[in-house]
Amino acid sequence: GAVVSQHPSWVICKSGTSVKIECRSLDFQATTMFWYRQFPKQSLMLMATSNEGSKATYEQGVEKDKFLINHASLTLSTLTVTSAHPEDSSFYICSAREGFAATRQETQYFGPGTRLLVL
Amino acid sequence: AQKITQTQPGMFVQEKEAVTLDCTYDTSDPSYGLFWYKQPSSGEMIFLIYQGSYDQQNATEGRYSLNFQKARKSANLVISASQLGDSAMYFCAMKTFGGYQKVTFGTGTKLQVIP
Repeated sequence: GAVVSQHPSWVICKSGTSVKIECRSLDFQATTMFWYRQFPKQSLMLMATSNEGSKATYEQGVEKDKFLINHASLTLSTLTVTSAHPEDSSFYICSAREGFAATRQETQYFGPGTRLLVL
Repeated sequence: AQKITQTQPGMFVQEKEAVTLDCTYDTSDPSYGLFWYKQPSSGEMIFLIYQGSYDQQNATEGRYSLNFQKARKSANLVISASQLGDSAMYFCAMKTFGGYQKVTFGTGTKLQVIP
């Protein structure tokens, strides 16, 4: 199956700094990428949906100025947590979808996730 | 709006036994897909099985089968012959085919397989 990578897998940073997380589709072109966050023992919550070359669509309650998403190419999307605070500590997972096919379950692939700890 | 409900926060099963993880859903969209994912402690989401709303037969993938009851809006996952490596969080999810086709997840069920 297709592979999605995330970098870094772990990041620890001081409060007030910005953190960039990369999501790459390694062997396919991802027209759409999704960013999720997951708190311990909770479900995945969709933060935003991004299409290559256009602005991301954020879910209700997600601050777009806080979580900057750039989908610059068909293989790369980045999530930047600006001025991170301890409450931003979470597990961030991206997923990528190939093409616009609407009926095949294997068109959305998940990255391995990035654990962010803000001190 | 779409909603996924998993009412079992945790389940135990004896090794080699079968276990059913419950999932109910709600959507007004007639066309949708239902997924089950496994998330071990390492965090990665592992796709297990998929059922389309128009699929006539229940999906099966090896030891995983999906008991799809459309009228009851349920999509339970059945794991047969449980193995110790099946211990993980299991998430039910749904995708509707309008808009960006985003996937909505349930709250998950933590399965522990007992030797």
